[in-house]
Amino acid sequence: AQRVTQPEKLLSVFKGAPVELKCNYSYSGSPELFWYVQYSRQRLQLLLRHISRESIKGFTADLNKGETSFHLKKPFAQEEDSAMYYCALSGGGNQFYFGTGTSLTVIP
Amino acid sequence: DGGITQSPKYLFRKEGQNVTLSCEQNLNHDAMYWYRQDPGQGLRLIYYSQIVNDFQKGDIAEGYSVSREKKESFPLTVTSAQKNPTAFYLCASSIAGTGLQPQHFGDGTRLSIL
Repeated sequence: AQRVTQPEKLLSVFKGAPVELKCNYSYSGSPELFWYVQYSRQRLQLLLRHISRESIKGFTADLNKGETSFHLKKPFAQEEDSAMYYCALSGGGNQFYFGTGTSLTVIP
Repeated sequence: DGGITQSPKYLFRKEGQNVTLSCEQNLNHDAMYWYRQDPGQGLRLIYYSQIVNDFQKGDIAEGYSVSREKKESFPLTVTSAQKNPTAFYLCASSIAGTGLQPQHFGDGTRLSIL
């Protein structure tokens, strides 16, 4: 079975502090991992994906196959980072599995 | 701003009635999806379609039906068999392929039972 776990429903950090949103997955194969973000009053949208190995808005995420994790990190949080973040997994075949989401609040 | 259009934004249903949620996309995407979002449960896949006239059940398909007669459209019908239909419904699309392509989402439809 495929499953994505985001252990933190709520996360608060101060502006300028580092932030890490945790994502663990369970999948019997080679998954593709994504982070999606939903800002207030906006649509759910792609933030970054593992295959691109890119940094978007200062966020990065490293796939750790040994720990089956894909944590999202940013060294210095900004107020505009406050949003709902979802980790998602695709095992191929166009079926996606989403975590329950983490609501990040950056305190000024 | 094109992309994915879901309508209506809010929908009310009486017990025993079927309702249909609309999803249209102008991205020329082959794959389309329906998710249900409940508080604390994230997004759960109801149905998906990789190509016109073909669709597959997701994790929670019972009580729902879909059709894919056109590439642009993937309507979801919530039938009276769905025991707990009150939820937020999201439609998404992506370039079909190996699952490596990201999904584009609509604004969602909130369904409530009267």
